[in-house]
Amino acid sequence: EIVMTQSPAALSVSPGERVTLSCRASQTISSKLAWYQQKPGQAPRVLIYGASTRAASLPARFSGSGSGTEFTLTISSLQSEDFAVYYCQQYDSWPMTFGQGTRVEIK
Amino acid sequence: QITLKESGPTLVKPTQTLTLTCTFSGFSLSTGPVAVAWIRQPPGRALEWLALIFWDDDERYSPSLKSRLSITKDASKNQVVLTMTNMDPVDTATYYCAHSGGLAVWFGSWGQGALVAVSS
Repeated sequence: EIVMTQSPAALSVSPGERVTLSCRASQTISSKLAWYQQKPGQAPRVLIYGASTRAASLPARFSGSGSGTEFTLTISSLQSEDFAVYYCQQYDSWPMTFGQGTRVEIK
Repeated sequence: QITLKESGPTLVKPTQTLTLTCTFSGFSLSTGPVAVAWIRQPPGRALEWLALIFWDDDERYSPSLKSRLSITKDASKNQVVLTMTNMDPVDTATYYCAHSGGLAVWFGSWGQGALVAVSS
């Protein structure tokens, strides 16, 4: 089973700041990685798939990069609606696995 | 527009069997490539994938829970059913069903989730 490790577990950020979230796979997964955003009381929603392809209607401030085992989700200028928990998911091999999440909090 | 909705009991007793139904619209599970998965989330914790079924009846399960899970589909009713046996309090979670539109299994649409508590 591929283990997905996200870092940091949580971070406090001021609106307007740039945010970089990391996700590491325990073995190579090519570019078969998705990022999800989850707000309290809501289902997750996909942000990025294929490591770098933005989901439909996703603001351009969100970007994904990486391949192999190291991946990054960047929010170029954090908006108030971006405070949430972010998860990565690998779909290269079964079982598919999620990371433990990174909580982005208001500073 | 793709929509999914989970339904089932909100409370089950330990050792009982949980049956959840995902009713969807906006796509067909008769024609591929498409899949529907079940994913759960204990309160305050991370997402955990449980099971998935493809349009061609291929089934996949989490190895750690495989002995307790069964996933089936009724494409004519636009439903996917998850059965989990021998429920335990640690299985208390919000259970989501989600849609994947291809062989690359990421989830573009999710149901609202169904909170299931396991308690005597």
